[in-house]
Amino acid sequence: EAQVTQNPRYLITVTGKKLTVTCSQNMNHEYMSWYRQDPGLGLRQIYYSMNVEVTDKGDVPEGYKVSRKEKRNFPLILESPSPNQTSLYFCASSLKGDAAYGYTFGSGTRLTVV
Amino acid sequence: DQQVKQNSPSLSVQEGRISILNCDYTNSMFDYFLWYKKYPAEGPTFLISISSIKDKNEDGRFTVFLNKSAKHLSLHIVPSQPGDSAVYFCAARGEYGNKLVFGAGTILRVKS
Repeated sequence: EAQVTQNPRYLITVTGKKLTVTCSQNMNHEYMSWYRQDPGLGLRQIYYSMNVEVTDKGDVPEGYKVSRKEKRNFPLILESPSPNQTSLYFCASSLKGDAAYGYTFGSGTRLTVV
Repeated sequence: DQQVKQNSPSLSVQEGRISILNCDYTNSMFDYFLWYKKYPAEGPTFLISISSIKDKNEDGRFTVFLNKSAKHLSLHIVPSQPGDSAVYFCAARGEYGNKLVFGAGTILRVKS
């Protein structure tokens, strides 16, 4: 089944403890992206990757890192999480970088930072 | 400053009636628009899209209308079904084509 898989689905952590949210897609998509969803703000892009070893900042990149060493994986790294990073995170992928292709989203990771 | 706005946080409709979800945008460089539907505990899924060269696109019970001069689009669902109850996000292709800009979403409840 074609899908985007995120792990973990739920995570509660403490301020300052580094964490990684994994994202993997099995559709051989070139483009991958991370979004966060917050009430009243919709989904905002954190980082995106047009292809392997090519990453760029989205609208809200502060406090996050990403890497794209392989086509299928695009982990989101929070080096020192803070409470304002409590949010619902979605990984997405697309065949090409053009957003008109539409995105396939993962099921989400709900992160709470205390 | 949000470039894509969905001003109605929620909408309640009777089963069988029409649901109309609205979306406004501010950036005239946006040229492609998409609607996504999201159920609880799931990621958004693509529903329907429209290019700025068109003013209407239809797919079964779902129709999207685009009014470029007003920078407004709407999603019509006819007839509405209880399974349509979800959050609906309007999205626009960013001016460089490499991202989607989303609205805040509208919660649709279809009552049976």
